[in-house]
Amino acid sequence: AQSVTQLGSHVSVSEGALVLLRCNYSSSVPPYLFWYVQYPNQGLQLLLKYTTGATLVKGINGFEAEFKKSETSFHLTKPSAHMRDAAEYFCAVRANNAGNMLTFGGGTRLMVKP
Amino acid sequence: ETGVTQSPTHLIKTRGQQVTLRCSSQSGHNTVSWYQQALGQGPQFIFQYYREEENGRGNFPPRFSGLQFPNYSSELNVNALELDDSALYLCASSRGGTGAFGITDTQYFGPGTRLTVL
Repeated sequence: AQSVTQLGSHVSVSEGALVLLRCNYSSSVPPYLFWYVQYPNQGLQLLLKYTTGATLVKGINGFEAEFKKSETSFHLTKPSAHMRDAAEYFCAVRANNAGNMLTFGGGTRLMVKP
Repeated sequence: ETGVTQSPTHLIKTRGQQVTLRCSSQSGHNTVSWYQQALGQGPQFIFQYYREEENGRGNFPPRFSGLQFPNYSSELNVNALELDDSALYLCASSRGGTGAFGITDTQYFGPGTRLTVL
């Protein structure tokens, strides 16, 4: 079985500041890892994913995440926050023997102050 | 390329009623997954359909059921609605199915259906 923990249900940063959203996972087999973003009253949009290969993954809108197996982490970062980044962010894991079932964390709401 | 669409966008039902939610998958996708997202929580996997058959199920009771049609669109049916069924129901489509999945297989989500049970 797999699980995901997102530390901090709310994160507030100033515009232009570094964004760091934390995600730790547990999985009995090598995982596939995802970050999704959800804007108010909308569905989920894929930001980036890790499957195999390079552990630093670049996504859309300037976001990136690094898979660290030893720390079982997949933290999401962005060097400089924009007001438009304010949204809910979800980390998800899919074990590579679990079909296509995604297990999501509880989400982190990112607030960006002007 | 048409994305994932869901209908209706909002729905209000009373306890004990039945509801059907609909999802049209993205072009070229043959797999549909359904998720329930309660307010303030992450989505939870309900089940997945591949080639018109259920292919994996989460921890949801049998009153949650589904269908997939030959054109890969899908329905989620919930019987005997309870207050706790109030949530955003998300549909996601992808390529793949049982056995070996392509490692680049990704789920693309629709906008969701907001169900309120009174």
